[in-house]
Amino acid sequence: NAGVTQTPKFQVLKTGQSMTLQCAQDMNHNSMYWYRQDPGMGLRLIYYSASEGTTDKGEVPNGYNVSRLNKREFSLRLESAAPSQTSVYFCASSGRQGWVGELFFGEGSRLTVL
Amino acid sequence: QKEVEQNSGPLSVPEGAIASLNCTYSDRVSQSFFWYRQYSGKSPELIMSIYSNGDKEDGRFTAQLNKASQYVSLLIRDSQPSDSATYLCALLPNTGNQFYFGTGTSLTVIP
Repeated sequence: NAGVTQTPKFQVLKTGQSMTLQCAQDMNHNSMYWYRQDPGMGLRLIYYSASEGTTDKGEVPNGYNVSRLNKREFSLRLESAAPSQTSVYFCASSGRQGWVGELFFGEGSRLTVL
Repeated sequence: QKEVEQNSGPLSVPEGAIASLNCTYSDRVSQSFFWYRQYSGKSPELIMSIYSNGDKEDGRFTAQLNKASQYVSLLIRDSQPSDSATYLCALLPNTGNQFYFGTGTSLTVIP
């Protein structure tokens, strides 16, 4: 029972490089999310996908793109990395039933942009 | 914008004491509330969820929701050093899919 799996766990990039964070969930959840977490800032939503085929911007979408490849997978892409994108990134999923929903998180991906 | 406010702490309590964590929110729309615990370097994990006014107990944890006063709290009885972590409050509107998080409260339980 893997839950939410995200890769890579650690990555160092140079400014201007691109990369994709991968996320997959095996809980048959409709909704998937990408958050970033910075010291003192809490969890900030980058993008989310309420269901397969839809994506919506969150609080801090600039500099990121997402793809909901299928119901299981939701990837986050940094096209031209900047030092301000140094952060810990969490993928999460939620299997909302009516108005009841809980978020399940992956283990996080620590990204450093030099 | 649905604001969720938490006192960032740090909050320190002695082992065996009750730790009280509080969260206020600004939107009166019906919604559900969650408490997550996050150990340093780890991902958040769900502790409690509460949807209705009043108290909800689960072992040493009690969540309290007061919709009239727009606050939700988490009480940890018989605090243990293993409870030392950051606690995140979150809300989910009943008609939406976006979770809104507070910045978290750091709790240290002193042996």
